Amino acid sequence: AQSVTQLDSQVPVFEEAPVELRCNYSSSVSVYLFWYVQYPNQGLQLLLKYLSGSTLVESINGFEAEFNKSQTSFHLRKPSVHISDTAEYFCAVIENNNNDMRFGAGTRLTVKP
Amino acid sequence: EAGVAQSPRYKIIEKRQSVAFWCNPISGHATLYWYQQILGQGPKLLIQFQNNGVVDDSQLPKDRFSAERLKGVDSTLKIQPAKLEDSAVYLCASSLGFLAGQGETQYFGPGTRLLVL
Repeated sequence: AQSVTQLDSQVPVFEEAPVELRCNYSSSVSVYLFWYVQYPNQGLQLLLKYLSGSTLVESINGFEAEFNKSQTSFHLRKPSVHISDTAEYFCAVIENNNNDMRFGAGTRLTVKP
Repeated sequence: EAGVAQSPRYKIIEKRQSVAFWCNPISGHATLYWYQQILGQGPKLLIQFQNNGVVDDSQLPKDRFSAERLKGVDSTLKIQPAKLEDSAVYLCASSLGFLAGQGETQYFGPGTRLLVL
């Protein structure tokens, strides 16, 4: 079965600095990849997802992630973070024709002024 | 459009008591999911419904957990009797069709935070 590893449990960063949240997955078949964001006391919101086509996917608020099949990675990046980006970020994977989406343990991004 | 609704938002019970959570998915969404999110971990799928039928409940502890979606709309998740390790956030999600295995987006509710003492 597929699994997801988020390499950093916490990432502190200063406002306007770049950030990368790392995600690696393992699977023997083709997969679909997701990044979800969870603000305090709220549910998960989809940030972006990779289904097929271009390996670089972007969100409306400046985040992007690149699917790297050879590295089995789907790292999330933003060139300049804001205080409002402070949240928990979850990477998730689902195998083609499988119903079970697997989540990583999450990375808590804290943006400091 | 209204999002996924869940209630209650918080619940505190003693071990061996029973508890029930309610979820109302986005209108028209055929698939409904229940996840358990233990502190410090990512969500784990407990059960998936397509309309009122169970698609996957392989990770549901059936000796104490049960779930139903009788009319194919809202759903109830029950724990009876609760154990200390059931303390977690229980998330409900829904998706439009039956395409989880094709990467269809799941929309999450705010969750119910359960504390078992």
